[in-house]
Amino acid sequence: KQEVTQIPAALSVPEGENLVLNCSFTDSAIYNLQWFRQDPGKGLTSLLLIQSSQREQTSGRLNASLDKSSGRSTLYIAASQPGDSATYLCAVTNQAGTALIFGKGTTLSVSS
Amino acid sequence: KAGVTQTPRYLIKTRGQQVTLSCSPISGHRSVSWYQQTPGQGLQFLFEYFSETQRNKGNFPGRFSGRQFSNSRSEMNVSTLELGDSALYLCASSSRDWLSEQYFGPGTRLTVT
Repeated sequence: KQEVTQIPAALSVPEGENLVLNCSFTDSAIYNLQWFRQDPGKGLTSLLLIQSSQREQTSGRLNASLDKSSGRSTLYIAASQPGDSATYLCAVTNQAGTALIFGKGTTLSVSS
Repeated sequence: KAGVTQTPRYLIKTRGQQVTLSCSPISGHRSVSWYQQTPGQGLQFLFEYFSETQRNKGNFPGRFSGRQFSNSRSEMNVSTLELGDSALYLCASSSRDWLSEQYFGPGTRLTVT
């Protein structure tokens, strides 16, 4: 059974710092991995989608990498800003074809 | 392009009642999935519809059901509400299926008293 873990559960950093969020999954037979952002009480905003054949994806200050063999993905946020404060969730889709399987998320707080 | 919309945004129901939630996907998207989010369990998959057919179902009791209309709009229904059904219910749409990038709506916050 696929399990997705995100460590740490919470992270506080000062503005301007570069940071890395971690996501690990137990079954490497994934189809893709998606990173989302969720603001309190709101829905999910898709940040990056990495197909299993890709190693990384970039969007602005965000860079996500995928190492399928080791079951890991990282989300790198450059030059963090207070507006980046939110919960970041990673989710995988198994090759078996079920729905997204989510981690519990990392809650990021960026102080000015 | 308008995003995924969900109605109502907030709902308060009493234990034993039933509730219907609605989701309108992004125009042109034919796949709609539903998720339940609670503080304890996180995000869990309920079911997925494509062209009015349920293609995938999560591990929830039969009290949870859904349907999809010909215009791709979807509804989910929960009968005989329990306190544990209090959650944020999120709908996601994608252009093809669950393998495509998922776009989520703002959610419906259901409180069962």
